[in-house]
This record gives sequence, structure tokens and C-alpha cells, in this order.
Amino acid sequence: GAVVSQHPSWVICKSGTSVKIECRSLDFQATTMFWYRQFPKQSLMLMATSNEGSKATYEQGVEKDKFLINHASLTLSTLTVTSAHPEDSSFYICSATYGRVYEQYFGPGTRLTVT
Amino acid sequence: KQEVTQIPAALSVPEGENLVLNCSFTDSAIYNLQWFRQDPGKGLTSLLLIQSSQREQTSGRLNASLDKSSGRSTLYIAASQPGDSATYLCAVRESNTGKLIFGQGTTLQVKP
Repeated sequence: GAVVSQHPSWVICKSGTSVKIECRSLDFQATTMFWYRQFPKQSLMLMATSNEGSKATYEQGVEKDKFLINHASLTLSTLTVTSAHPEDSSFYICSATYGRVYEQYFGPGTRLTVT
Repeated sequence: KQEVTQIPAALSVPEGENLVLNCSFTDSAIYNLQWFRQDPGKGLTSLLLIQSSQREQTSGRLNASLDKSSGRSTLYIAASQPGDSATYLCAVRESNTGKLIFGQGTTLQVKP
């Protein structure tokens, strides 16, 4: 149980375009979802926290107009990287939790490469 | 601000050795601490979760300890195998925010 999926697993896009990444909780209703970014050989950095039906809370230094997060249902959150640039190339990982913030279940990640 | 540090950054050992990975955190106000494994280019696999009231957790060849007052945790891997080669991440969940704060990880290589 507690499986989280991400789609796509990898994506290549041209600079200036936008790309959407989906995060789904497959067998539970996720009250809260988290988006992380991981640069090569670095740890995971929390980008934002989203609760179903409300606006996401962004961490300091993360541009909310560039990284659009939508948590429209209890099983789906999306991250849209708008006007992507090569420096946005990274590994994006989502996680989800339900009930109390007890344990987060992580997705397999999405590798974004912006050329 | 919570900071999580893992030492060493990288470790290479021969197969069969027992080894210890270290994790320290600056703020003891944590809800729990979790150890993860990450294979190259992959997501995270949760290994062990220790609640703030617990001292240790065990799963197979893995044992994790927690000393909240001193801000330390260790992950002990017994009889290491080449399949254990991966990056191991330590993360603490803050009591006040619920956020999961990660360390930089220890990259382990177990040589056959």
C-alpha cells in the first residue's frame, strides 16, 4: 500500500517551453503532497507543500510563478515548470501523506532536462 | 533553522564488513527521523523510521538508533553486500512545521 507514481519519469524540453509533471497517490487519498528538487550529487530540497483544494505553500527562494502547483484532487498534484531554462534541469520528486503528518510516501521521481 | 549533516559523504568497503553511517541534526524538536536509500537516478526507498520517543529500530541487517538530546542518529549495516551500494539519506521531520529536512547523504560502495 501507499504507492505514489509520477509521470513522466523523464522529459526533455526546449528552453522557454513549459512542462507538467504529475504526482498521483494510487491507493490512498493524499491530504498533503510535497514537491522536492534534487540537483546532481545533492540532497533533496523542499520546494512547496500543497493541500488539496488550497494554494500551495512555497519555500523561501522558490518562485511560485515559475513552479505552478495544482492539487485539485486527493489523488493528484501537478507541478508545471513554466518558461523552463537549462538551470531548471533537475530531478523532481513528489511525496504524499494522509491523516497526520506521520510518514511521507515518495514517488519515483521525474528527470527534467532543458536544452 | 534545522540542519542535517551526514558523515562520511562517501564510503567504500569490502563485502562482509559491518559499517556505520552517521547523521546529526541541530534542532532536537523533531517528530521523527527516517533513513532512506536512493539508487542512482531513482526515487527514495524508506528503510527505517524512528519516532522521537524511540531509541532504535531494526529491519533485517539494518539497525538505526536515535539520540534526540544529542542530535544524533546512526545507521548500522551488518554484513554488507554489493547490493547495499547506494546513497543513504537521513531526514528529520520538524515538530513545528512537519517538514522533512534531508541530509546530503552518504554514498556507499560495497566491493565484492
